Amino acid sequence: DADVTQTPRNRITKTGKRIMLECSQTKGHDRMYWYRQDPGLGLRLIYYSFDVKDINKGEISDGYSVSRQAQAKFSLSLESAIPNQTALYFCATGAQGNTGELFFGEGSRLTVL
Amino acid sequence: EDKVVQSPLSLVVHEGDTVTLNCSYEVTNFRSLLWYKQEKKAPTFLFMLTSSGIEKKSGRLSSILDKKELFSILNITATQTGDSAVYLCAKFTNTGGFKTIFGAGTRLFVKA
Repeated sequence: DADVTQTPRNRITKTGKRIMLECSQTKGHDRMYWYRQDPGLGLRLIYYSFDVKDINKGEISDGYSVSRQAQAKFSLSLESAIPNQTALYFCATGAQGNTGELFFGEGSRLTVL
Repeated sequence: EDKVVQSPLSLVVHEGDTVTLNCSYEVTNFRSLLWYKQEKKAPTFLFMLTSSGIEKKSGRLSSILDKKELFSILNITATQTGDSAVYLCAKFTNTGGFKTIFGAGTRLFVKA
């Protein structure tokens, strides 16, 4: 089983629908991150969390919200999806300490029509 | 602002060539510089660099950091078609909490 699991892996939805992407991890890491990837733009940080009571906005948080339900679970919601939120979304975890290494899920491809 | 700039954005080479990928970053709250390789799916970790001038090496890949000039390079020698991927450079920073900021990536295509 993967250490960082994202569901769903693929989703097609319509404009205006609410979508939730879920992430769970078995690595025991405190830090969890949601990134969005668009062609030619690398990975852009949406939200990040250091524990269940600590949520921080990233570079591009508008139109998104998150919930850290437990140390192992971090979900990303699009309250009212729009076409320019069509992208590949990655969840990642990071260990405590002065290291930036991230461990990624397999990605969730979202298409908003 | 935590910015990471990679160049070139794309590169096409022939098998056996040596390539150098570049990454520059802003100094604010710098903790480390990381390189990842991304093929079809999730990025996979290559190197983490924290000290200037110390080369990290893994097979045909190597990387070095210059903290004075604020850049890093990733070298790939004797390239193979399996090296075709997007190479992502990222800065680990403590601006507003520990987070990793990525560049746009360099897309490398190695022709047989």
